[in-house]
Amino acid sequence: QSVLTQPPSASGAPGQRVTISCSGSSSNIGSNAVNWYQQLPGTAPKLLIYNNDQRPSGVPDRFSGSKSGTSASLAISGLQSEDEADYYCAAWDDSLDVLFGGGTKLTVL
Amino acid sequence: EVQLAESGGGLVKPGGSLRLACEVSGFTFSTYNMNWVRQAPGKGLEWVSSISSRSSYIYYAESVKGRFTISRDNAKKSVYLQLNSLRAEDTAVYYCARDLRGAAAGGMDVWGKGSTVTVSS
Repeated sequence: QSVLTQPPSASGAPGQRVTISCSGSSSNIGSNAVNWYQQLPGTAPKLLIYNNDQRPSGVPDRFSGSKSGTSASLAISGLQSEDEADYYCAAWDDSLDVLFGGGTKLTVL
Repeated sequence: EVQLAESGGGLVKPGGSLRLACEVSGFTFSTYNMNWVRQAPGKGLEWVSSISSRSSYIYYAESVKGRFTISRDNAKKSVYLQLNSLRAEDTAVYYCARDLRGAAAGGMDVWGKGSTVTVSS
């Protein structure tokens, strides 16, 4: 069981906006920045968001991140079929670990 | 082009050992922190270990502490993971990943394709 808690699944129709949550504690999300990854089937993860709300170059602005207290969220607007993937949050924990959430499988209806 | 290429995976018996290597190209390896992350079949991502650019700081997940050792050779542009006392639950694809400079810990912007480790008798 992951220390960072994500819903196992999420879904939305093309064009809609979907939000994926990531809940932690004061020792991880509460005191450190959050990163988000997208993993398409059979491929390595791709960094989508770093430092809570920053996008690496090349990531569309349809993807956005936010953090409040001990929780973080990834929002995907204008949902597209190619967004169907697994999404993971990650954060440093003060016990000297990098923690990943359990992952959320996004289905585009 | 920035690339990471893992090697060294395979089938090993419980209690056995393996050494994974990750050779990089296309960037100044000696200035980046590096990580190993694994993914068991059908499961999520699990961080395994991190090493700073000059090997000054090394961290391990509790699940591998005392059994796995991370190291790097900046002259060879490579990072390694020595896996000892392997267990069935260590079966996974092992990814090598580069820290994004300026990102908080856990922000990894370049990943290899992964190397598969299977622990089975």
